[in-house]
Amino acid sequence: AQSVTQLDSQVPVFEEAPVELRCNYSSSVSVYLFWYVQYPNQGLQLLLKYLSGSTLVKGINGFEAEFNKSQTSFHLRKPSVHISDTAEYFCAVSTTRQGGSEKLVFGKGTKLTVNP
Amino acid sequence: KAGVTQTPRYLIKTRGQQVTLSCSPISGHRSVSWYQQTPGQGLQFLFEYFSETQRNKGNFPGRFSGRQFSNSRSEMNVSTLELGDSALYLCASSANIPGQAINEKLFFGSGTQLSVL
Repeated sequence: AQSVTQLDSQVPVFEEAPVELRCNYSSSVSVYLFWYVQYPNQGLQLLLKYLSGSTLVKGINGFEAEFNKSQTSFHLRKPSVHISDTAEYFCAVSTTRQGGSEKLVFGKGTKLTVNP
Repeated sequence: KAGVTQTPRYLIKTRGQQVTLSCSPISGHRSVSWYQQTPGQGLQFLFEYFSETQRNKGNFPGRFSGRQFSNSRSEMNVSTLELGDSALYLCASSANIPGQAINEKLFFGSGTQLSVL
């Protein structure tokens, strides 16, 4: 079974600073990787996804992530954060389809707080 | 296009009661998934439905059940509520068709915040 570990439960940073949110996964089969963002009192929105191809994936709001198969990581980065990036970020993994259905397995989330 | 709609937004129940939550997916989406979100456990998968059939189920007790209607709307039911069932319940829909493509993108509703007293 696959699992996702988000190493930091909270990350405080100052506005315009760079940020990296770490995500490691474990799976015995090929995986598809996702980052979702949850703003207060809202559902989750997809930031970016890795399905195949280039290991550097660019998403919305200036975020990007790099898939590293040897380190089983999919860290999320942004070179310069804004106050509006304050939210909770979830890394998720989905395995290749086997038997007709699959589900996303989420990490426990990282709360990013951007301070002025 | 309207997003995923969940009702009610907030719900307060007492132990032992049962509750039904509703989810209307994005028009045209036939796949609906449910997740439980708590501060301690994070997001945990409950079940997934497609064309009125449960396709996948998470590790939750039988008190948690769901169904999907012919118009793709879905409901989940929790019977004999316990204090630990207090959580944000999120519904997500996708255009995913089992057997044809991976679950590329889920569209989430804002959730139903359930408080069990």
